[in-house]
Amino acid sequence: QSVLTQPPSASGTPGQRITISCSGSRSNIEGNPISWYQQLPGTAPKLLIYSNNQRPFGVPDRFSGSKSGTSASLAISGLQSEDEADYYCAAWDDSLSGWEFGGGTKVAVL
Amino acid sequence: QEQLVQSGTEVKKPGSSVKVSCKASGATFRTYAISWVRQAPGQGLEWMGGTIPDSGTTTYALKFRGRVTITADKSTSTAYMELRSLRSEDTAVYYCARESAGDYFDHWGQGTLVTVLS
Repeated sequence: QSVLTQPPSASGTPGQRITISCSGSRSNIEGNPISWYQQLPGTAPKLLIYSNNQRPFGVPDRFSGSKSGTSASLAISGLQSEDEADYYCAAWDDSLSGWEFGGGTKVAVL
Repeated sequence: QEQLVQSGTEVKKPGSSVKVSCKASGATFRTYAISWVRQAPGQGLEWMGGTIPDSGTTTYALKFRGRVTITADKSTSTAYMELRSLRSEDTAVYYCARESAGDYFDHWGQGTLVTVLS
């Protein structure tokens, strides 16, 4: 069981906006920056969002992140077929003195 | 541009050990932490531990303490992860990843499949 909780799946039609939640606690999300990763089938994870809401160079602005208290969210607007992937949140946990990942959310474009 | 290149696929017997390498191509290997993250078939990402090559400081996830050793060779810009007493549940893809600013993983290796098979 992951310390960070994500819904196992999310879906939408092309052009829609979807959000993925990541729920944690004071020792991880509330106290530390959160990052998000996209993993396409058969590939290594790729950094999508860092420091709660920053996009690395090359990541489309359709992807956005936010954080409030012990929860964080990833939003994908203008959903495209190439967005079908698994998405993971991550944060350092001060109590465990280690990194924690969410269980992952599989996004389907209908 | 930093690149992390990992060693190849391994097939091991239960009870044995495996050592996976991760070679960094950039000039900043010594000052960034390198973590190891694994992913069992059909499962999510699981952090195992990490090291800062310059200081030698190493941290392990509680689950793996005593069974994993993470090291780094500054002269070759290579990090290693050794996992001992392998069991079938250790079958997974093992990734190395660079931690940036201690806040996120900005570069990942391509992954190394380790299969534990009797």
